[in-house]
Amino acid sequence: EVQLVESGGGLVKPGGSLRLSCVASGLTFTKAWMTWVRQAPGKGLEWVGRIKTNSEGATTDYAAPVKGRFTISRDDSKNMVYLQMNSLKTEDTAFYYCTAQQLGFDPWGQGTLVIVSS
Amino acid sequence: DIVMTQSPDSLAVSLGERATINCKSSQSVLHSSDSNNYLAWYQQRPGQPPKLLIFWASTRVSGVPDRFSASGSRTDFTLTISSLQAEDVAVYYCQQYYSSPYTFGQGTELEIK
Repeated sequence: EVQLVESGGGLVKPGGSLRLSCVASGLTFTKAWMTWVRQAPGKGLEWVGRIKTNSEGATTDYAAPVKGRFTISRDDSKNMVYLQMNSLKTEDTAFYYCTAQQLGFDPWGQGTLVIVSS
Repeated sequence: DIVMTQSPDSLAVSLGERATINCKSSQSVLHSSDSNNYLAWYQQRPGQPPKLLIFWASTRVSGVPDRFSASGSRTDFTLTISSLQAEDVAVYYCQQYYSSPYTFGQGTELEIK
């Protein structure tokens, strides 16, 4: 069974930092483009960013609202992908989902909640 | 950026009846290199993460009931549930994966009438 499990969410003050992690199992991780998508409570889905495979240079791409503040990285030896979030703003409050970009985005983790509040 | 617009925002359908959700992209998502439409549909039940239902605009994911079907090309797409079941209550999203940023529609909330 393919599974993604996120961790690392929590409460952080504006301007603070947080690192989210996602571990994959049952997936050929080295061949997967890994993506983060977020969803503010009661709102729609917003693509955050993506990292390609190491063989493709682990190239990253980000949505405009997070570019320059968020960084995605991967560790294929651990089947892990990370989302480093710096200079957090209240509008970054959301559930953050890890997903694999294959034919569409599939599977998805259960998500981890990040709350940015003073 | 490609803007995805769904209609309607919400929809109430009786059990056993047909539900239709539309999705329009601000530019074509048909890739000339492989003639595929880079358009996906997702179902998000309350309290759950999204689930991929359809990719390439009309290909059902293995295990998705055949009452779900989808069609369309270039900029206009449709998701149809032929006979609504109680477990289909959810928010449905279309998404383009043609070009970054990979944008989603705003979602259509489907409920039972």
